[in-house]
Amino acid sequence: GAVVSQHPSWVICKSGTSVKIECRSLDFQATTMFWYRQFPKQSLMLMATSNEGSKATYEQGVEKDKFLINHASLTLSTLTVTSAHPEDSSFYICSARDGDFGPGTRLTVL
Amino acid sequence: AQSVAQPEDQVNVAEGNPLTVKCTYSVSGNPYLFWYVQYPNRGLQFLLKYITGDNLVKGSYGFEAEFNKSQTSFHLKKPSALVSDSALYFCAVRDSRYSSASKIIFGSGTRLSIRP
Repeated sequence: GAVVSQHPSWVICKSGTSVKIECRSLDFQATTMFWYRQFPKQSLMLMATSNEGSKATYEQGVEKDKFLINHASLTLSTLTVTSAHPEDSSFYICSARDGDFGPGTRLTVL
Repeated sequence: AQSVAQPEDQVNVAEGNPLTVKCTYSVSGNPYLFWYVQYPNRGLQFLLKYITGDNLVKGSYGFEAEFNKSQTSFHLKKPSALVSDSALYFCAVRDSRYSSASKIIFGSGTRLSIRP
């Protein structure tokens, strides 16, 4: 069965609002989780590395103030897209360990 | 730095024929290599991975991949393609020098189309 879950699976929001996406490891503890973004018909691009109890590490070109990451426990990391705009519409996928990915969250910003 | 190249955007194969989806990689240390499949509007499905040992790795749905260190390749293969294999395939790599809590980098993806 699935070992990584994401919630919600999809979300539609208005421009300017913030959206929180959760990533949970279901049967193991994860001190590190990863957030990826996938635009339509494109590959998965690593956005950031979420570290439990410390600041996230962002990839070059990813705005840390726009994509807030919180890894408050060993089984939960959250990604908050702040002041979302239509260009943030994408498929967001998390990973919690070698090869284990969540089912993804499709974000549509109107 | 690690990177993955999938040189073909699309591969077209007739049902019943063998298929190959190409992947080459670059890492500083030894590679951990992965193949994933993605169906439309779905998440990633794990197919197989190479960590160490036998260069030929067998995975889900009849797929296999061969690790070739000298050519830095990890091509995905299947002896007889099915129409249901039509999907987007991603090759990915992680540097084995780091723990399992290190990032995986993806290739650009190859769209596999199997015609009846």
